[in-house]
Amino acid sequence: EAAVTQSPRSKVAVTGGKVTLSCHQTNNHDYMYWYRQDTGHGLRLIHYSYVADSTEKGDIPDGYKASRPSQENFSLILELASLSQTAVYFCASSDANTGQLYFGEGSKLTVL
Amino acid sequence: GDSVTQKEGLVTLTEGLPVMLNCTYQTIYSNAFLFWYVHYLNESPRLLLKSSTDNKRTEHQGFHATLHKSSSSFHLQKSSAQLSDSALYYCALSDRRLAGNTGKLIFGLGTTLQVQP
Repeated sequence: EAAVTQSPRSKVAVTGGKVTLSCHQTNNHDYMYWYRQDTGHGLRLIHYSYVADSTEKGDIPDGYKASRPSQENFSLILELASLSQTAVYFCASSDANTGQLYFGEGSKLTVL
Repeated sequence: GDSVTQKEGLVTLTEGLPVMLNCTYQTIYSNAFLFWYVHYLNESPRLLLKSSTDNKRTEHQGFHATLHKSSSSFHLQKSSAQLSDSALYYCALSDRRLAGNTGKLIFGLGTTLQVQP
């Protein structure tokens, strides 16, 4: 069974603070993604990566950085967290043959 | 640019009635794939259906959808709703522009299906 795990599952951060969300996959997938989920906006792509040590901007990259130090790990970094970044964040990896996404459990971030 | 439209934000219906969730899309790429993902509360979103060739029906877990390129649609249907079908459903488009078979997925806003007794 494909496995994508995220940490932390829930976090409260202060405005202006730094937040790092981590994602680990054991699927041996090359592609990994970070999405945010907001009511009324669906799932929006922040950053993605198709190989270690390289990341690409998604549709809403402003205010976020990403890091892919290895095939298995993909982090999302908020250098200066803002109230508008309160959301649920999902990491996913994808099977190159089918295009199917495998999602993690989600990380609920609340910025106060 | 590419886009996916799910016009219903919330669909509420009674158990046993048929389900139809609408999905239309726009893309300039002829080789697009459409997906339905389901997100149950407190779980991870997961794949429900993936499109096949034009006008061919795909089925899984009692749900089915048919890709119609002529109308750019991939509506999700089920003959009889169950209480356990209550969830958030996303339609997604992949244009396969990236290497291999993997493309960025563009998601619709999602439709929440509430099935009542």
